[in-house]
Amino acid sequence: KAGVTQTPRYLIKTRGQQVTLSCSPISGHRSVSWYQQTPGQGLQFLFEYFSETQRNKGNFPGRFSGRQFSNSRSEMNVSTLELGDSALYLCASSPVPQRLGEQFFGPGTRLTVL
Amino acid sequence: GENVEQHPSTLSVQEGDSAVIKCTYSDSASNYFPWYKQELGKRPQLIIDIRSNVGEKKDQRIAVTLNKTAKHFSLHITETQPEDSAVYFCAASPSGGGADGLTFGKGTHLIIQP
Repeated sequence: KAGVTQTPRYLIKTRGQQVTLSCSPISGHRSVSWYQQTPGQGLQFLFEYFSETQRNKGNFPGRFSGRQFSNSRSEMNVSTLELGDSALYLCASSPVPQRLGEQFFGPGTRLTVL
Repeated sequence: GENVEQHPSTLSVQEGDSAVIKCTYSDSASNYFPWYKQELGKRPQLIIDIRSNVGEKKDQRIAVTLNKTAKHFSLHITETQPEDSAVYFCAASPSGGGADGLTFGKGTHLIIQP
């Protein structure tokens, strides 16, 4: 069974631009969560999607948004990029939200904002 | 919201010795506590987890203990080996794996000295 995949793996943008990151969950997994990882703040929860609905959102500004498609693939979008948005963005999938013990992370997208 | 504190930030032990990493959490409603291992440049991987109805769980050289009253949980690694070198993250979930996502500690860089 293929693991969680994320595209692109690396991305360089400039301040003010917007970016869209993609996450394909493990086949059969319907819950996708997004996390931001930085050296200073560690791993922080962005949001979770299940059945195309955002179930919860972490403490991030409205510039961070996401969506989930009917095939469970998810995208996250960051608008008006700031230098502080430079981070590793990880998505993780699980069969359903209540089974975090079966949650697997993708390899991440390394975003650099210049 | 939940707040997870993790100590120490760096831990250096001799190969073959034991390592202990400790975390405290603030939300008494949290009932799911996973530990992740992240090697350099790789994705976090779940190594062990515990739910609040259990005080201890063991998997070969790795064990986790939970003290609900004191709101702290610990990771114990015995007979450490060079491949145990990595960053370890603890996390807590208030809904046992529901929509609230995971709140992570800042991580512990474990260094195994040969």
